[in-house]
Amino acid sequence: DIQMTQSPSSVSASVGDRVIITCRASQGISSWLAWYQQKPGKAPKLLIYAASNLQSGVPSRFSGSGSGTDFTLTISSLQPEDFATYYCHQDNSLPRTFGGGTKVEIK
Amino acid sequence: EVQLVESGGGLVQPGGSLRLSCAASGFTFSSYWMRWVRQAPGKGLEWVASIKQDGSEKYYVDSVKGRFTISRDNAKNSLYVQMNSLRVEDTAMYYCARVTTTRALDIWGQGTMVTVSA
Repeated sequence: DIQMTQSPSSVSASVGDRVIITCRASQGISSWLAWYQQKPGKAPKLLIYAASNLQSGVPSRFSGSGSGTDFTLTISSLQPEDFATYYCHQDNSLPRTFGGGTKVEIK
Repeated sequence: EVQLVESGGGLVQPGGSLRLSCAASGFTFSSYWMRWVRQAPGKGLEWVASIKQDGSEKYYVDSVKGRFTISRDNAKNSLYVQMNSLRVEDTAMYYCARVTTTRALDIWGQGTMVTVSA
């Protein structure tokens, strides 16, 4: 199984900060990686697909990069509505696996 | 409006069974792979099962193989998962999700809660 390791597991940040979340796969997954945002009590929401493509309707302050084993999600200027938990998810091979999540909290 | 709506969750005893349903609307259901993803209380996301557009391919996480069966009825725009021999560790919110051609989950339902407890 491909293990997806996210770091940090939590981060405290202020509105306007730049936040970077990393996701490392235990083996290469090409660019078959997506990022999701989840708020408490809600279903996850797709932010980035195929490592670096912004999903329609998602603000441009979100961006993704990487390929192979190392990936990043960047929020260029954190907004109040961005406080949530973020998950990476590999779709290269079975079983499909998620990272453990990164909780972005208000500083 | 593109939408997925799950139903069928509830409280069940260990060893019991439950069938979850996911009703799709607003898109051509038969054109998409579909998945079930679950989330135990306070925990992260876990892929459970996937099914191809015509139902000819099905895949499961090891922990549910032999106990869960994913299926679909394209005429009814519906996705299902039959869950047998339920265990306490199956307690979770269960989401259905649509898979895009770029292998991302772009549409999610609101989830249905399954609680396995004596």
